[in-house]
Amino acid sequence: DIQMTQSPSSLSASVGDRVTITCQASQDISNSLNWYQQRPGKAPKLLMHAASTLETGVPSRFSGSGSGTEFTFTISSLQPEDFATYFCQQYDHLPITFGQGTRLEIK
Amino acid sequence: QVQLQESGPGLVKPSQTLSLTCAVSGGSISSGVYYWSWIRQHPGKGLEWIGYIYVSGGTYYNPSLKSRLTMSVDTSKNQFSLKLSSVTAADTAVYYCARTSVISPLHFDYWGQGTLVTVSS
Repeated sequence: DIQMTQSPSSLSASVGDRVTITCQASQDISNSLNWYQQRPGKAPKLLMHAASTLETGVPSRFSGSGSGTEFTFTISSLQPEDFATYFCQQYDHLPITFGQGTRLEIK
Repeated sequence: QVQLQESGPGLVKPSQTLSLTCAVSGGSISSGVYYWSWIRQHPGKGLEWIGYIYVSGGTYYNPSLKSRLTMSVDTSKNQFSLKLSSVTAADTAVYYCARTSVISPLHFDYWGQGTLVTVSS
């Protein structure tokens, strides 16, 4: 299985901050990476596919980049509703695997 | 608007079989353009993809669970199901059903709300 390692596992930040999360794959996955947001008690919400393509309706303050084994997810200016947990997910090789998550907390 | 809804017992005894159903509304399972997945999340932990089923009945099971898994689809009821046998406390989790396109990218665009299944005597 491809292992997905996210860092940091948790992050404290303030409204208006720029934050970046990284996701590292244990082998080359091209750009076969998705990002999700999960609020407490809710199902994950798809934010982005193919490493950098935003889903319809997702604000442009979210962005993603990377290919191969290294990926980044950035929120350019944190809003109150962005405090949640974020997961990466690879689909280049089955089984599909997820990162362990990054919990974004209010400082 | 597509909606998915999980249902099934919230409590299962160790060694028994966990059975869940996901009802799909706002779209047809028989459309043939989606895989129908199960994903679980252990309390306070990350996400684990269990596997998916296609309308034809074809499946892919996560090798880590394959020996205990059975998935099925009922097109007449527009629903699909999961059975996980010989459960232990390690199978306690929130179970989600979700949809993904058969065409890459394999992303989960619609999810059920999730159902907590606790394995305990």
